[in-house]
Amino acid sequence: EVQLVESGGDLVQPGGSLRLSCSASGFTFSSEAMHWVRQPPGKGLEYVSGITGNGGSTYYADSVKGRFIISRDNSKSTLYLQMTSLREEDTAVYYCVKDKRAVISRPGFDYWGQGTLVSVSS
Amino acid sequence: QAVVTQEPSLTVSPGGTVTLTCGSNTGAVTSGHFPYWFQQKPGQAPRTLIYDTSNKFSWTPARFSGSLLGGKGALTLSGAQPEDEADYYCLLAYSGARVFGGGTKLTVL
Repeated sequence: EVQLVESGGDLVQPGGSLRLSCSASGFTFSSEAMHWVRQPPGKGLEYVSGITGNGGSTYYADSVKGRFIISRDNSKSTLYLQMTSLREEDTAVYYCVKDKRAVISRPGFDYWGQGTLVSVSS
Repeated sequence: QAVVTQEPSLTVSPGGTVTLTCGSNTGAVTSGHFPYWFQQKPGQAPRTLIYDTSNKFSWTPARFSGSLLGGKGALTLSGAQPEDEADYYCLLAYSGARVFGGGTKLTVL
């Protein structure tokens, strides 16, 4: 059974930093690309970032480019999102999403985690 | 910046049929946008229903189907059930970018 468990969400001040983690199990982690998708409270979904199965290629939405870094440790089956220079508009539930493929050249979302809440406020 | 449009809300009667659409401000939606559809119930994470326009996952109820219709992506629900009341989001791919629609709140009433 595929399981994705996010952690690391917290209340942080504007300008602060936070690292999210997503622990994966139930599939060959290194064989699949992974993504982060966020959802502000009461609003819709926004694609944040993606990384190929081998970690060699990444993609970022313009809204987070230069501030967020996606990475993965295939030996630990864990996906990360390092967030810096956080803004109030980054407040959202952050979901870890598994891909059906190793590449990110086309969408391949299948399984979603339950999400972790990041609140940016002074 | 691409914008993906969906109906803000729709209502369907139990047992009825409804079609949700997914449009793009850049022109007609094609299979090359790899349309995806997601269902989200209150307090839950989204669940992927349809990928690459019309393909289903093992967990996708048979009453859901995806297609291209009139230059848009479409999700058709045939034989609506009370448990289908949820928010539905589509996603389109534009080269490297993935853009979600604003979502459709579907009421079964």
